[in-house]
Amino acid sequence: GNSVTQMEGPVTLSEEAFLTINCTYTATGYPSLFWYVQYPGEGLQLLLKATKADDKGSNKGFEATYRKETTSFHLEKGSVQVSDSAVYFCALNSGAGSYQLTFGKGTKLSVIP
Amino acid sequence: DTAVSQTPKYLVTQMGNDKSIKCEQNLGHDTMYWYKQDSKKFLKIMFSYNNKELIINETVPNRFSPKSPDKAHLNLHINSLELGDSAVYFCASSQEVPSTIYFGEGSWLTVV
Repeated sequence: GNSVTQMEGPVTLSEEAFLTINCTYTATGYPSLFWYVQYPGEGLQLLLKATKADDKGSNKGFEATYRKETTSFHLEKGSVQVSDSAVYFCALNSGAGSYQLTFGKGTKLSVIP
Repeated sequence: DTAVSQTPKYLVTQMGNDKSIKCEQNLGHDTMYWYKQDSKKFLKIMFSYNNKELIINETVPNRFSPKSPDKAHLNLHINSLELGDSAVYFCASSQEVPSTIYFGEGSWLTVV
């Protein structure tokens, strides 16, 4: 079956530090990959996505590249801010008519001034 | 205008009660979902409807029953609430497959 594995948190960084949150997946076929962000007390928002191999998704300074050879979709940001503190979820849709998103367990990021 | 709205946002109720959470989307999407997020933030799909038809029905107790009066609404009714039902329930919607799924702000259910 499909699965998403992302690094355990929590992750604590100082402002302006470099961020990497690792995400690897297992899926048949050609999945689409997503990063969602959940700010405290709020619902999930799409951060970025990539629908095919070698695509790079980017938004708000965050980037992730769909690497089929390593089945990975790591999230990166060059300089984090306090306002980036949130829980980040990697997810996949396996395609082939599937309506389901499979989520990783989430990684909590805390950015301190 | 909120794209996916769900009510109530907070719900505290006693064991054994029956409660409903309502969800509406104004995005014109054909597919709606209910997800459950536990205390460890783990998200798991419960149900999905496409054009008012049930298409995903994960292993959840029969006490949980979704109802879709039209494709813009997907309500969740829970009978005989148990302590373990305490969680955040998210409604969501999407258009094509695969596509971005848009989430509501969540309904925090606490069973005491």
